[in-house]
Amino acid sequence: AQSVTQLGSHVSVSEGALVLLRCNYSSSVPPYLFWYVQYPNQGLQLLLKYTTGATLVKGINGFEAEFKKSETSFHLTKPSAHMSDAAEYFCAVTANQAGTALIFGKGTTLSVSS
Amino acid sequence: DGGITQSPKYLFRKEGQNVTLSCEQNLNHDAMYWYRQDPGQGLRLIYYSQIVNDFQKGDIAEGYSVSREKKESFPLTVTSAQKNPTAFYLCASKLTMTGEQYFGPGTRLTVT
Repeated sequence: AQSVTQLGSHVSVSEGALVLLRCNYSSSVPPYLFWYVQYPNQGLQLLLKYTTGATLVKGINGFEAEFKKSETSFHLTKPSAHMSDAAEYFCAVTANQAGTALIFGKGTTLSVSS
Repeated sequence: DGGITQSPKYLFRKEGQNVTLSCEQNLNHDAMYWYRQDPGQGLRLIYYSQIVNDFQKGDIAEGYSVSREKKESFPLTVTSAQKNPTAFYLCASKLTMTGEQYFGPGTRLTVT
């Protein structure tokens, strides 16, 4: 069985500050991990993904995440927040097995103040 | 442009009526998914289909039905048996077993 926990339903930062959104997962098999972003009343857009290989993954809009197996974590970071980063962020996990779907965390809403 | 379309964007129905949400993709993806999103709940899987003419229940399938007669289309029917149908519904598709899912823009259903 797989699960995802996103720590903090709301995160607030100032423009230019570091963004850190936390995600911990549980998986009995090697996981594939994803971060998605959602703007109000829109679908989800993929920010980045980890499947195999390099554990530091770079995505769009300056975001990156590091897969840490020992900590079962996949935290999302961005060095300098921009007003346009304000949105809801979802971490998701799946397994490399047929018939499996993405399991999503409950989401973290990021607010950016000027 | 390739992508996933969902229609309509907003849908209003009276309680007791069935309603069908459309999802079409031209990405040539084999797998398609339906999720329900409620505030603070994240996304919950309703149904998914790995191949034409086959589909499986997700975590919250009660009160919903689907069909997969064509690779490009995966409509979702919200039946009168669904107790709390008001929600934001998202359709997604995936090409490979290990690939990411691509999402449509969503349909917001309001039942009164």
